[in-house]
Amino acid sequence: DAGVIQSPRHEVTEMGQEVTLRCKPISGHDYLFWYRQTMMRGLELLIYFNNNVPIDDSGMPEDRFSAKMPNASFSTLKIQPSEPRDSAVYFCASSRQGLSPLHFGNGTRLTVT
Amino acid sequence: ELKVEQNPLFLSMQEGKNYTIYCNYSTTSDRLYWYRQDPGKSLESLFVLLSNGAVKQEGRLMASLDTKARLSTLHITAAVHDLSATYFCAVDEDSNYQLIWGAGTKLIIKP
Repeated sequence: DAGVIQSPRHEVTEMGQEVTLRCKPISGHDYLFWYRQTMMRGLELLIYFNNNVPIDDSGMPEDRFSAKMPNASFSTLKIQPSEPRDSAVYFCASSRQGLSPLHFGNGTRLTVT
Repeated sequence: ELKVEQNPLFLSMQEGKNYTIYCNYSTTSDRLYWYRQDPGKSLESLFVLLSNGAVKQEGRLMASLDTKARLSTLHITAAVHDLSATYFCAVDEDSNYQLIWGAGTKLIIKP
């Protein structure tokens, strides 16, 4: 199994630009999670999906953030417009069911200047 | 609000020594997870503890869960340099699949 695949690995953009992060979960996993990791705030859950349906997006910081999962093999996290405080590593993770451990992708390191 | 506290947050130790990382959480839960993260890398699942008294071991690492004390420990036996990493515990709050994460323990093992 290829694991959770995220792209791009690194993204550098200017403030105000739109950023789209992509994730392919492990085949057969029903749950998909988007996390953000920073030194100051640690790991934060942004949103998670079950069977492609968003279940809880209470962690999405602002309306500038949106996430979609159009099918079982693809999800996007979009930031529009981006701001310097959005700079972080964004992880996507998937799991087979609620009690299973999360399998994390390699993350996208986002830098907004 | 569920809180998860790890201690210590930073640990520097010599190879060959034993040490324990503690993870305390504030509400009832019988599902606790340990993850490892190498610098600049992703998180890797180490252990899933699903009941009171659960104990799991992998190599030099052993994790246990005491749900009555709301405490999990990650014990390192005869540490080796390759175990240097940041270790996170996470608790499943109310079975809603939202993990609450500890701040992580950065472990440095010196040869």
